[in-house]
Formats: sequence, C-alpha cells, structure tokens
Amino acid sequence: AIQLTQSPSSLSASVGDRVTITCRASHGITSAIAWYQQKPGKIPKVMIYDVSSLESEVPSRFSGSRSGTDFFTLTISSLQPEDFATYYCHQFNSYPYTFGQGTKLEIK
Amino acid sequence: EVHLVESGGGVVRPGGSLRLSCAASGFTFHDHGMSWVRQAPGKGLEWVCGINWNGGVTGYADSVQGRFTISRDNAKNSLYVQMNSLRVEDTALYYCARDHDFRTLPNYWGQGILVTVSS
Repeated sequence: AIQLTQSPSSLSASVGDRVTITCRASHGITSAIAWYQQKPGKIPKVMIYDVSSLESEVPSRFSGSRSGTDFFTLTISSLQPEDFATYYCHQFNSYPYTFGQGTKLEIK
Repeated sequence: EVHLVESGGGVVRPGGSLRLSCAASGFTFHDHGMSWVRQAPGKGLEWVCGINWNGGVTGYADSVQGRFTISRDNAKNSLYVQMNSLRVEDTALYYCARDHDFRTLPNYWGQGILVTVSS
C-alpha cells in the first residue's frame, strides 16, 4: 500500500499567515492526490483534488502543488478564522487508498 | 441532495461480527463507486474499503484484508460491509461515502455509525 506521511503533525499560526502542509508518498503516484479539511464533530470536506484542482466553492486562498514525484503540498495563502481545522492528504491512485495521519492547524 | 444513512453499528466482543449497511438516496446509486472510511475516537481518517459502480472491483486496507467484505445491492440502493473477526482496534466511527462526481475519491459522507469492540 502507498503510505502517506504528513508534516507537520500540528501547526500553530495566526490569522493572515501563510501556511504549508506537506505530504510525502512512499511510492511514486500519478496525480491522484486530494486534501480534506475536517472540523471537530464534522464530516471531512474535499478542498483540493488531482493535486491542484480546487473543489467547487473552496476559497482561492487554498492551493495544492507537487514537488518531484513524491511530495505534495497544501498551501493556505492567508489564514482565516474558519480555516483552523485538521487537514488530511489522501491518495486515490490505486487500491488500497490511504490517508495521511493529519495535520492539526491551531490558532496561535 | 445526496443522502447516506448508516446502520448496524453497536457493541461487539473481540472475535465477533457485525454487518453495516448504508442506505443511499438523492442520486443514481449505480453510477458511483462507494467506500467505507473510519475514524477511531480522537484519531485520524482511515480508508477501510471501496467498491466500484457494479461491484466488480473491490479494495481493502491492509488492516482489514481477509476480515471485512464490502458489497452493494444496486436494486436496493444500498452498500454493505461485513466485518468478521473484529478486534479492539476496529473500534471507530464508520462512514459510508460516495465517490466524487469526477474522481474516485470519497466526497459525500454519511454521518457515521459507531462500532465498539470491547470485552
């Protein structure tokens, strides 16, 4: 199975900050990477799919990119209060699909 | 509107079995792949298993391979997972999820059903 390793596992930041979360895949994969946002007690929400495609109605301050074959990043250009949540990368390249372990984004 | 409702959860002893069901409505069920995703209390998301539109292709996480079986009944707009040889570490909130409109990743989620494995 393709393992996804996210970093950092937690992050403290302030409103207006630019933040980047990284996801490393254990094997080379195609572009089948997505990013989810989950708030406490809520279901996950797709933010980005296919590495960099913005899901409908997701603010443009969210973006995704790829570096090399195995590294993927989620960037939030200017943090808003509603962005504080846990973020997961997810690969849907091939079964078994997998999630990263999550990055908890907290208010500084 | 996509609506997914899970049922069949509960408390079971280690080694026991449970069958979860997911009733789907608000979309053409047989047009979409489906998955089960779980989340242990206070932990992250874990993809458990998935199935394509007609049931011809299935996949399982290494942690449940050989113990869980995913299936679907398109005539009944329903998704299932048969969970055998349950372990304490299978305790989690289990979500039924429908694939994204354009990609095979979970996009629409039920509210989840709790499975507790405890002696």
